[in-house]
Amino acid sequence: NAGVTQTPKFQVLKTGQSMTLQCAQDMNHEYMSWYRQDPGMGLRLIHYSVGAGITDQGEVPNGYNVSRSTTEDFPLRLLSAAPSQTSVYFCASSPPSYNEQFFGPGTRLTVL
Amino acid sequence: GNSVTQMEGPVTLSEEAFLTINCTYTATGYPSLFWYVQYPGEGLQLLLKATKADDKGSNKGFEATYRKETTSFHLEKGSVQVSDSAVYFCALILMDSSYKLIFGSGTRLLVRP
Repeated sequence: NAGVTQTPKFQVLKTGQSMTLQCAQDMNHEYMSWYRQDPGMGLRLIHYSVGAGITDQGEVPNGYNVSRSTTEDFPLRLLSAAPSQTSVYFCASSPPSYNEQFFGPGTRLTVL
Repeated sequence: GNSVTQMEGPVTLSEEAFLTINCTYTATGYPSLFWYVQYPGEGLQLLLKATKADDKGSNKGFEATYRKETTSFHLEKGSVQVSDSAVYFCALILMDSSYKLIFGSGTRLLVRP
């Protein structure tokens, strides 16, 4: 199993550009989520999904969209990038017990 | 609301010293508790977990006990190594329909030879 994979590893955007961060898992986990990590603030939940076709907002959803058309994929879209979205983004998935989340390696995004 | 509070870092220790990283939580209901570790340039890895009061999680020489009476889950290790240098995150999961993982702000540990 590859586990949770994320692409790209690094990305630089200009203010106003849009892009999609990709996340995929091959463990057949129903639960997937996106977090952003900022210095001194731990990880904050952006959006999550409890299954294909079901998504919901987390703590900091503004400026981001998600969709879940398959169990495996959970892309995160930045609609119009802003410097405040400069961060490291982590995708995670969880088995039905919800007692552990498996994290991807992260995407480091810089918005100029 | 639900939250996790960890001691601020960085924590700097000499090799073979005793480590304690404090973690307290506030939660409705009965959460499961976790410690995650993030090595430089990597994602988060689960270090240990405890799912109910008085449970002790342990892994790689690290231990933490779920103390409901003090709402704490302090991380300990008897003898740290240079390779333990990383950022440690305490977290809880709400076992409601959202299954949200709530993190503390992280504590950086630096172990010197």
